[in-house]
Amino acid sequence: EIVLTQSPDFQSVTPKEKVTITCRASQSIDSALHWYQQKPDQSPKLLIKYASQSLSGVPSRFSGSGSGTDFTLTINSLEAEDAATYYCHQSSTLPITFGQGTRLDIK
Amino acid sequence: QVQFVESGGGLVKPGGSLRLSCAVFGFPFSDSYMSWIRQAPGKGLQWISYISRSGDDIYYADSVRGRFTMSRDNTKNSVYLQMNSLRPEDTAVYFCAQGHLNLNHWGRGILVTVSS
Repeated sequence: EIVLTQSPDFQSVTPKEKVTITCRASQSIDSALHWYQQKPDQSPKLLIKYASQSLSGVPSRFSGSGSGTDFTLTINSLEAEDAATYYCHQSSTLPITFGQGTRLDIK
Repeated sequence: QVQFVESGGGLVKPGGSLRLSCAVFGFPFSDSYMSWIRQAPGKGLQWISYISRSGDDIYYADSVRGRFTMSRDNTKNSVYLQMNSLRPEDTAVYFCAQGHLNLNHWGRGILVTVSS
């Protein structure tokens, strides 16, 4: 099973700050890495697919990078509405796995 | 507009069974793989199962294989999750989602509680 380890687990940030969340895979997954945002009491929302592909309707301040085992989700100029838990997810190898999540609080 | 209509959750005793249903609208259902993912209270996301477009190929997480069965009915734009031999650790919100690689759209989730 491929283990995805996110860091940090929790971060308290101020609006307009730049935020970086990392996801490390226990073995290479090429670019089969996706990022989701989950706000309290809501279902997850796909933000970035295949490591760096942006999606229609997702604000441009969200971007992704990486390949192999190391991946990054970057949020430029954080907004209050970005308070949420963020998960990475690999679809390279069964079983499909998720990272443990990174909770972002807005100060 | 993508819409999910989920049903079938509730409280069940250990060893009992439940069948979850998820009807979807707003995207070409028969062209889509579908997945189930769950989230235990206060915990992260856990993939459970996915099914191919035709329903011929189905994959399960080890934790549910042999107890859960995923199926679909393309005439009803619906997927199902038959859950047998339920355990307290199966307590979670169960989400159905479009796709099996990247999960494009998610339902609101169905709460399943396994407790005596």
